Amino acid sequence: GNSVTQMEGPVTLSEEAFLTINCTYTATGYPSLFWYVQYPGEGLQLLLKATKADDKGSNKGFEATYRKETTSFHLEKGSVQVSDSAVYFCALSDPGGNNRLAFGKGNQVVVIP
Amino acid sequence: GAGVSQSPSNKVTEKGKDVELRCDPISGHTALYWYRQSLGQGLEFLIYFQGNSAPDKSGLPSDRFSAERTGGSVSTLTIQRTQQEDSAVYLCASSLAHGRNEKLFFGSGTQLSVL
Repeated sequence: GNSVTQMEGPVTLSEEAFLTINCTYTATGYPSLFWYVQYPGEGLQLLLKATKADDKGSNKGFEATYRKETTSFHLEKGSVQVSDSAVYFCALSDPGGNNRLAFGKGNQVVVIP
Repeated sequence: GAGVSQSPSNKVTEKGKDVELRCDPISGHTALYWYRQSLGQGLEFLIYFQGNSAPDKSGLPSDRFSAERTGGSVSTLTIQRTQQEDSAVYLCASSLAHGRNEKLFFGSGTQLSVL
C-alpha cells in the first residue's frame, strides 16, 4: 500500500541553522508529493508540492525535490527563523490509491533564538 | 468565513456516549475529507465525499463511526459508544475537486477526549 515515512523525533535547532527533514515513500503508481505545515494553534496548510520526478517544490525558503530513484522528498531550508517552528508533514497522493492523501507522522521543529 | 470551520473545537465526553463533530467546508468545494490525528501518529484517513458520488468509507476504523454530508456542504462525523482509544484530534479538509494534485484546506480540528 501507499505510505510515507518521516524521520523519528522532534528537531530542535538554532536560528539561522540549516534544516533537513527526511521523507521517503512507497506508492503503487506515480504519486504527487506534498509538504504540509501546522503552525501552533492553526490548521494544516500546504507548504509546497511536486507532481513528477525531478520536480522541485519551493515556498517561503523551503525546498524539496522529488527523487524517484531514491523514493524521497526531503525538505530543506538554508536558514531557519523562530517563526518556522511548527509541525511538518510529508504526504503523497497516488492515483493508484484513489488519489487519497497519505500522511507521514510529522516532525515537530523548534527553532531557538 | 473564508476557511474550513469545525465545531466544537474541544469535546470531552464519557466512555459509551455518542458524539457528533461538525465541518463547514469552503463554499464551492466539492470534495470533503475527514482525518484523525492521534498523539505521536500521522494523519489517519477516515472518509471522503466527492460531489454526489458514494463516499469512500474505507478508512473508518469500526462500525461505530459514520459520516454524512447534507446538501453537498456541511458534514457531520458521528462516533457512537465512544471508547478511550477514540481520543484524538479530528480534522476536516475540503478541496475544489478530488484529484492527485488538489490542494487541501484544513480546519483547526476538534480535540476529542473520552474519559
